[in-house]
Amino acid sequence: SYELTQPLSVSVALGQTARITCGGNNIGSKNVHWYQQKPGQAPVLVIYRDSNRPSGIPERFSGSNSGNTATLTISRAQAGDEADYYCQVWDSSTAGVFGGGTKLTVL
Amino acid sequence: QVTLKESGPVLVKPTETLTLTCTVSGFSLSNARMGVSWIRQPPGKALEWLAHIFSNDEKSYSTSLKSRLTISKDTSKSQVVLTMTNMDPVDTATYYCARIPSAVSGYYMDVWGKGTTVTVSS
Repeated sequence: SYELTQPLSVSVALGQTARITCGGNNIGSKNVHWYQQKPGQAPVLVIYRDSNRPSGIPERFSGSNSGNTATLTISRAQAGDEADYYCQVWDSSTAGVFGGGTKLTVL
Repeated sequence: QVTLKESGPVLVKPTETLTLTCTVSGFSLSNARMGVSWIRQPPGKALEWLAHIFSNDEKSYSTSLKSRLTISKDTSKSQVVLTMTNMDPVDTATYYCARIPSAVSGYYMDVWGKGTTVTVSS
């Protein structure tokens, strides 16, 4: 079965750049999507198909995907960006797959 | 405005069957390019994808839960129903439904319901 690996936590200073990784075997050949989830709320799509932002998502959120690692980058991090972030792919054998989630702390 | 709303029992007993309903608005389940997924999240844990269904009745299930899950839709009622048999306390979770906006491979979910919490306990 296909697995996605995320760091449990990432910290970033206010106004700096946060990078959250998502590892998977040859993940660069797949479309990767990213969701933000704040406590007590449903997830929100922030990046789809590697690097596309839905309407309403700030340009500070960007994504990339190559080789065995996909990355969600949050520029000029704000206190409101504190949340859990999940990557997700579709695998032909495993179907829908989520990473284990990364807790982003803004210091 | 696209919305999805989950409904179902708050509490189920072990071995019982869970039936959850997702009622959608703002889009049609007959739209050939869209689908609906079910995802769950145990308390304090990660998201877990469960199943999806498209307008052409194409369905897919989590490989680990496939034997226990059934997904169906009633287009006239704008509802997608998920049943899970033989419930166990480890199935205690918040269950979400979400829209898949494109049937192009590499599915993602762009609008989510608020979720419904299900506790499995005797």
